[in-house]
Amino acid sequence: AQSVTQLGSHVSVSEGALVLLRCNYSSSVPPYLFWYVQYPNQGLQLLLKYTSAATLVKGINGFEAEFKKSETSFHLTKPSAHMSDAAEYFCAASSAGGYQKVTFGIGTKLQVIP
Amino acid sequence: GAVVSQHPSRVICKSGTSVKIECRSLDFQATTMFWYRQFPKQSLMLMATSNEGSKATYEQGVEKDKFLINHASLTLSTLTVTSAHPEDSSFYICSAPGDGSSSGANVLTFGAGSRLTVL
Repeated sequence: AQSVTQLGSHVSVSEGALVLLRCNYSSSVPPYLFWYVQYPNQGLQLLLKYTSAATLVKGINGFEAEFKKSETSFHLTKPSAHMSDAAEYFCAASSAGGYQKVTFGIGTKLQVIP
Repeated sequence: GAVVSQHPSRVICKSGTSVKIECRSLDFQATTMFWYRQFPKQSLMLMATSNEGSKATYEQGVEKDKFLINHASLTLSTLTVTSAHPEDSSFYICSAPGDGSSSGANVLTFGAGSRLTVL
């Protein structure tokens, strides 16, 4: 069974500092990987996705993530945090070629300190 | 891009009543939709997969008779929480595959969620 691990349920960064949210997946076959963002009382919005093309994926709002097969990781980064980045971030994985079973990580709440 | 509309966004009901939540794909067809439940400060838990024209597929541990799912058309899926109790209070989110692009088949587009409070 596939699993997604997000290290750190809470991350705090200063405004303007680097954002790094960690995600590791467990799968014998490289899956499709996603990062979603959730603002309070809202659904999830796709930030970016990896689907076996380029290993460095650029998403919306200045975020990017790098797929590293050797480390089974898909960490999310942003060079400079904005106050508007404060939200909950979910890493997710699905079987390559399908979306029927998407496994979500537990989520990381990002706090941006002025 | 693709839009999934979920209604109502908030609902408060008395214990023992039933509540229906609708999920509509606004500008694309969705033969499959997914229903998730999210507990406070936790991740999303897949409850069931809704299939147009056939029965929903429920995840292990999810009561079929408690959470009735109907996929009435290619753009509408409904979740009915029957005889709701306080422990059913939660945030329910639906999603549909696709993002409106030709390469978006493996992406989920989410509704805004429905917060159910059972008194």
